[in-house]
Amino acid sequence: DVKVTQSSRYLVKRTGEKVFLECVQDMDHENMFWYRQDPGLGLRLIYFSYDVKMKEKGDIPEGYSVSREKKERFSLILESASTNQTSMYLCASSLGLAGYNEQFFGPGTRLTVL
Amino acid sequence: AQKITQTQPGMFVQEKEAVTLDCTYDTSDPSYGLFWYKQPSSGEMIFLIYQGSYDQQNATEGRYSLNFQKARKSANLVISASQLGDSAMYFCAMRDRNSGGSNYKLTFGKGTLLTVNP
Repeated sequence: DVKVTQSSRYLVKRTGEKVFLECVQDMDHENMFWYRQDPGLGLRLIYFSYDVKMKEKGDIPEGYSVSREKKERFSLILESASTNQTSMYLCASSLGLAGYNEQFFGPGTRLTVL
Repeated sequence: AQKITQTQPGMFVQEKEAVTLDCTYDTSDPSYGLFWYKQPSSGEMIFLIYQGSYDQQNATEGRYSLNFQKARKSANLVISASQLGDSAMYFCAMRDRNSGGSNYKLTFGKGTLLTVNP
C-alpha cells in the first residue's frame, strides 16, 4: 500500500514565524502535491513537483514555497506565517501524470497561526 | 466559473439504503478523468473510484458506482446499501489539461457531507 506521511497532525505557530511542513511517500512516486483545504472551498492546489528539484505553481502559491531535494520528500514552507494561512494542509503523491493515476493523500496537518 | 460543482452541501440517508451524490463538471478537453474521494472526520482523503472520459462503461468498485452521463457532463456517485461508516465528506474531482496545458491538475468540488442514520 502507498503510504504518505506528514510530519505533524496539528501545529500551532505565531505570526511571522517560518514554518516547515514535511511530507514523505514510500512508493517511489514521481509527482507530489500540496493542497490546502478550507471549509466551503474544497481543496486548492498550492504547488506540485513532478521530479526532484522541479516544481510548478498551483492555484494559490502566494506566501508559500516548496522544496524537493529527494524523490520521497516534499516540503512546504511558509516564509512568514500569517493568520490567513490557518488551514488544513494535505500532501499527495501519484505515480504518473496520466489521467487514471489517482493521488494518494497523507493524513493532513491542521495548522493554526496565532 | 466553477469547473466542478457539487450542489448538495449535505445529504442524509438511512442505513442500508442507496444514495446518490451529485457532481457536474465543465471542461473543453476531450480527454479528462473524474475521481471521487471520501474524507472521514479523521481527515485523510480516500480514493474511491475513477472514470475516464473515453471509458465506455460506468465505473464500479464494490458498493460504489459512478453514473457517468457525458452529454450532461455529470458524474454522480452512487453508494448502495449505505453503512454507518460511510458518513463522511465526499469530494468529486476532475483532471484535465486546460490548466496551463499540463495534464496534472486535479480540480476539486466543494464537497458533500453525507450522514448515514441508523
